[in-house]
Amino acid sequence: GESVGLHLPTLSVQEGDNSIINCAYSNSASDYFIWYKQESGKGPQFIIDIRSNMDKRQGQRVTVLLNKTVKHLSLQIAATQPGDSAVYFCAETFYNTDKLIFGTGTRLQVFP
Amino acid sequence: GAGVSQSPSNKVTEKGKDVELRCDPISGHTALYWYRQSLGQGLEFLIYFQGNSAPDKSGLPSDRFSAERTGGSVSTLTIQRTQQEDSAVYLCASSLEGGLALNYEQYFGPGTRLTVT
Repeated sequence: GESVGLHLPTLSVQEGDNSIINCAYSNSASDYFIWYKQESGKGPQFIIDIRSNMDKRQGQRVTVLLNKTVKHLSLQIAATQPGDSAVYFCAETFYNTDKLIFGTGTRLQVFP
Repeated sequence: GAGVSQSPSNKVTEKGKDVELRCDPISGHTALYWYRQSLGQGLEFLIYFQGNSAPDKSGLPSDRFSAERTGGSVSTLTIQRTQQEDSAVYLCASSLEGGLALNYEQYFGPGTRLTVT
């Protein structure tokens, strides 16, 4: 079936360290993936996306890696800051559908 | 510019009552989505509107749930005869276009927290 899941429900890192949040997906037909950040009391906010014809995409302090062989997606945050503390969701969709399938989420806690 | 807005921000209702949740998408966005987020969980797709096309209702959990979008802009999600398991945050999102178009990014509103007592 179609599912998106996360390996770690909670990730604690020290300020300044790099963070890696992982996500596994099961639908090999998925060809578009998005990472969202959700702060307490707010709606999810788009961070970065990647299409299946790519294996890496970089943004400002964030990098998304896609490994289609093992159906794995990761979000790397460089020099993690307290403001990065939030729940991070991966989501997938595939061609000709308009529904995003979200994972459960990983809570990132940044300690000073 | 203004983002997606939702009202009310919080709603407490008694079991069995009907509730209406409102979403104002970003002006010009043709696609509108409703999601439900239970405590500590991911987002569950409910319904999707794209332009004048028939909505995709495949995510609605029961016939107590319905939604409409008037004039291609404002949307209302209605839950009839609310149950305690309906308690969740209901999130609305809009995007310039639906599908894998260039401007697919969904912008989310802050959500409506529904509590059914």
